[in-house]
Amino acid sequence: DAKTTQPPSMDCAEGRAANLPCNHSTISGNEYVYWYRQIHSQGPQYIIHGLKNNETNEMASLIITEDRKSSTLILPHATLRDTAVYYCIVRVAEYGGATNKLIFGTGTLLAVQP
Amino acid sequence: DTEVTQTPKHLVMGMTNKKSLKCEQHMGHRAMYWYKQKAKKPPELMFVYSYEKLSINESVPSRFSPECPNSSLLNLHLHALQPEDSALYLCASSQDQGLAEAFFGQGTRLTVV
Repeated sequence: DAKTTQPPSMDCAEGRAANLPCNHSTISGNEYVYWYRQIHSQGPQYIIHGLKNNETNEMASLIITEDRKSSTLILPHATLRDTAVYYCIVRVAEYGGATNKLIFGTGTLLAVQP
Repeated sequence: DTEVTQTPKHLVMGMTNKKSLKCEQHMGHRAMYWYKQKAKKPPELMFVYSYEKLSINESVPSRFSPECPNSSLLNLHLHALQPEDSALYLCASSQDQGLAEAFFGQGTRLTVV
């Protein structure tokens, strides 16, 4: 799976949009971009994933550049409960196999400030 | 029910003890995972089960022994652990080992003394 690069930490004011960047310059054509987050002392939580089109769900929006070398997770109105480590992960889009793994990088610690 | 339940929540064990961690899901998922997480580090994949068969072993020491007795249960048997094995152990499940999102439990906080 391709590697990802994220800033180690970011701050965001409560109520404002949080934009979390991720670089994945070696991503392959069959690899999806996934985002998970981990609130302190809890298990990771799935947020969103996409291949090449922008995606939106009730939690967030995912913007993937046309060349797919980077993406941005957008939390439209950050709250204090969004303070967490956010992980950007790329993985192959195929069933099973010894190489189909969900591997976490170091992530971005997002601190939402009141 | 979108829950993955892990028991116990906390476990303290001696280096000569044998203990087991348990994980249960009732979402009909056919892939289950064990991760290990040290403080301030990302989760590290240990094992993947797909349709109750071991699919991936990330070169984990044999003192950790996984077991998948049925499609809803995943165990991690622990024997002769070292203090450096103290960590948060996370279980996860997904519909299969493909694209589906993974659901994580809250973890078992293990301390080896």
